[in-house]
Amino acid sequence: ETGVTQSPTHLIKTRGQQVTLRCSSQSGHNTVSWYQQALGQGPQFIFQYYREEENGRGNFPPRFSGLQFPNYSSELNVNALELDDSALYLCASSLSGSPPYEQYFGPGTRLTVT
Amino acid sequence: KNEVEQSPQNLTAQEGEFITINCSYSVGISALHWLQQHPGGGIVSLFMLSSGKKKHGRLIATINIQEKHSSLHITASHPRDSAVYICAVITNFGNEKLTFGTGTRLTIIP
Repeated sequence: ETGVTQSPTHLIKTRGQQVTLRCSSQSGHNTVSWYQQALGQGPQFIFQYYREEENGRGNFPPRFSGLQFPNYSSELNVNALELDDSALYLCASSLSGSPPYEQYFGPGTRLTVT
Repeated sequence: KNEVEQSPQNLTAQEGEFITINCSYSVGISALHWLQQHPGGGIVSLFMLSSGKKKHGRLIATINIQEKHSSLHITASHPRDSAVYICAVITNFGNEKLTFGTGTRLTIIP
């Protein structure tokens, strides 16, 4: 069974640029959630994808967008990068439905915006 | 006020001590996670529970749904237990987003 993987591990971008982060979910999982963790803070929910559809969104602007593919892997896209977007971006995969299922986290992508 | 509060924020203890980290939440939940995060970022799920108590090795997690409170205990603590421990709750059944506490930084001194 393959765990959750994310790429790239680290990334440095300039303000105003666009970035795409990738997540491969654990085998058999149909739900992917994305979280942003600023330095010294707890993670904040960005959005969740279930079977290729967005299934809930946190308090993030529209320049944060995502995709989920038929194999349930996912992308997080951030346009017009701002300095405050510097953070660790985590994805977590799970099954969805009843009962609530445990989420399994990837190692994260550390994004630095200069 | 955060929906999920943890205490203490920082905890330093000697190797071998019994550790307790507390989590209180103010919303209805369907389940609660205890997570471990080491320097470098990766998050590992330790427990997910919605009632009672779970035990895995030296780790024990309890939850009291009526009091909206959970505790994580570590017995016979070891320096390798040094990490940030995060409590996270699932607040919306069907959209299983996690709402996180700010974490407890645990340091175990040899």
